[in-house]
Amino acid sequence: AQKITQTQPGMFVQEKEAVTLDCTYDTSDQSYGLFWYKQPSSGEMIFLIYQGSYDEQNATEGRYSLNFQKARKSANLVISASQLGDSAMYFCAMRAFSGGYNKLIFGAGTRLAVHP
Amino acid sequence: NAGVTQTPKFQVLKTGQSMTLQCAQDMNHNSMYWYRQDPGMGLRLIYYSASEGTTDKGEVPNGYNVSRLNKREFSLRLESAAPSQTSVYFCASSEFGRTLNTEAFFGQGTRLTVV
Repeated sequence: AQKITQTQPGMFVQEKEAVTLDCTYDTSDQSYGLFWYKQPSSGEMIFLIYQGSYDEQNATEGRYSLNFQKARKSANLVISASQLGDSAMYFCAMRAFSGGYNKLIFGAGTRLAVHP
Repeated sequence: NAGVTQTPKFQVLKTGQSMTLQCAQDMNHNSMYWYRQDPGMGLRLIYYSASEGTTDKGEVPNGYNVSRLNKREFSLRLESAAPSQTSVYFCASSEFGRTLNTEAFFGQGTRLTVV
């Protein structure tokens, strides 16, 4: 069975500092994709970054980077130079093939608060 | 470009009532999904449709039915609503195929309260 685990229900960080949000996953598939989404208080889901299981380099998108450790099955999100607008829920998600279908499953999320 | 459109945005139901949540996407995606979001539990997959004409159960399908009406539309029906179905419901769509790197696009969500 596939599973995403986010062990930090809440995190806080000072503005302009970096923060790491943890994500571990479980799958028996060799080919899979890992995603991070942001959900601000307004409720919409915003795609941040993607990492493929065969990608050799860690993904980066602006201030977001994904620390991918395949052997440990972890895909932590690093936000550099935090801003007040980064305060939100953050979800880690995994796409893998199950029974020939392409499913997308999510973790429980981490609520990040950025303090001035 | 509207993306994924869900209706309604808010709904209050009485226990035992039925309703259908509508979802439509205009991105020509094959795969569509229904999730529910509850505090502390993230987004849990209710049903998904890998392509037109196919649907499959996700993690929490009990109490729900779905219809993939055509490539654009994927509806979620609650036949007899229960207070445990109070939640925020999200519809999403994405490309289907052997590619894994396509993100899912989400609707704005439906906040459903069952009293």
